[in-house]
Amino acid sequence: DAGVIQSPRHEVTEMGQEVTLRCKPISGHDYLFWYRQTMMRGLELLIYFNNNVPIDDSGMPEDRFSAKMPNASFSTLKIQPSEPRDSAVYFCASSLGTAFTGELFFGEGSRLTVL
Amino acid sequence: DQQVKQNSPSLSVQEGRISILNCDYTNSMFDYFLWYKKYPAEGPTFLISISSIKDKNEDGRFTVFLNKSAKHLSLHIVPSQPGDSAVYFCAARDKAAGNKLTFGGGTRVLVKP
Repeated sequence: DAGVIQSPRHEVTEMGQEVTLRCKPISGHDYLFWYRQTMMRGLELLIYFNNNVPIDDSGMPEDRFSAKMPNASFSTLKIQPSEPRDSAVYFCASSLGTAFTGELFFGEGSRLTVL
Repeated sequence: DQQVKQNSPSLSVQEGRISILNCDYTNSMFDYFLWYKKYPAEGPTFLISISSIKDKNEDGRFTVFLNKSAKHLSLHIVPSQPGDSAVYFCAARDKAAGNKLTFGGGTRVLVKP
């Protein structure tokens, strides 16, 4: 079975440019999460969706960040305009709420470098 | 405010010995605790979990202990193997907050042959 699929795996961009990260969750999963990993803060939750509806976006750093989930099989995380401090690895994860054992299934991550 | 803390950023252990990773939390509403393992250039993968109604869960070489009164949990790996070298994240769920997990900062484990 396919796991969580993220694209791109690597992105290098210049400050001020728009960045869009993409995620395809595991089919049938009703929760989707966006996490960011940095050396300073570890894994921090940015936003999560349940049945395509944003539930908690309190972790989104500022208005430059936005996330959407137009359908059950696709989500995007957009940064506009990007800044060097946004450089990090961004992970998407999904889970099945009705069978919760706490386990999230993570994608391989998108490494973003903003110059 | 970090609700889940891993105070040791790194740990080095000899192959065959025990690795003990620690994690502290502050939120008494957490009802499920998990450990994830992460290799470089990969996403975290689930390792082992424990419900707040238990104090121990064992799976092969991995055992998680939970001390609710101290708000502390630990992961024991015995015997440690070179393939266990990775970053380990402690995570917790607040049952009032849906399925979201709060992660600690991670502990990098190096198992020396």
